[in-house]
Amino acid sequence: EDKVVQSPLSLVVHEGDTVTLNCSYEVTNFRSLLWYKQEKKAPTFLFMLTSSGIEKKSGRLSSILDKKELFSILNITATQTGDSAVYLCAFRVAGNNRKLIWGLGTSLAVNP
Amino acid sequence: DAGVTQSPTHLIKTRGQQVTLRCSPKSGHDTVSWYQQALGQGPQFIFQYYEEEERQRGNFPDRFSGHQFPNYSSELNVNALLLGDSALYLCASSLDPGGYYNSPLHFGNGTRLTVT
Repeated sequence: EDKVVQSPLSLVVHEGDTVTLNCSYEVTNFRSLLWYKQEKKAPTFLFMLTSSGIEKKSGRLSSILDKKELFSILNITATQTGDSAVYLCAFRVAGNNRKLIWGLGTSLAVNP
Repeated sequence: DAGVTQSPTHLIKTRGQQVTLRCSPKSGHDTVSWYQQALGQGPQFIFQYYEEEERQRGNFPDRFSGHQFPNYSSELNVNALLLGDSALYLCASSLDPGGYYNSPLHFGNGTRLTVT
């Protein structure tokens, strides 16, 4: 059965710290992996990764995919209190791209 | 450019009742997916609509049904509500012509359903 596991489940850091969130998966016919940030309501899209070894970057956030080892990481440098949220990863299976399989998320709390 | 909009934002129902949730996709998007998110869980896929048809369905009973209209908006209906149906219901839209375009989903703010 296809599944995705995120770790850690929760994390508390101080402003200015760097954090690394992990997403590992077991899936047949991988097509893409997506990262989302969820605060109060709607998950907001961060990155979509399809190719191994290519880093996606947006400001202080970056992500990379390792298709051989079946995982992805999301890095946040110089964390701010506004980074406090649940970070979700999901993957899409080739030939079945109408559905995403989601992890439980990592709850990040950034304290001042 | 309007994003995904959902209504209502909150809803309280009693066991056994029926509920209808509504979603308008982001401008230019033609595919709508519905997700159920319980507290502390990732979203669980309910079903997806494209070209006014249900294209794929997750592991949800027939009590969960939906519809997509010609303007791409969508409804989620849940009959015979159970306490366990209490959750945040998220609608997401994407541009998915023919089901082959690998586009990310854009989510609405959800409807918080409480069943008492």
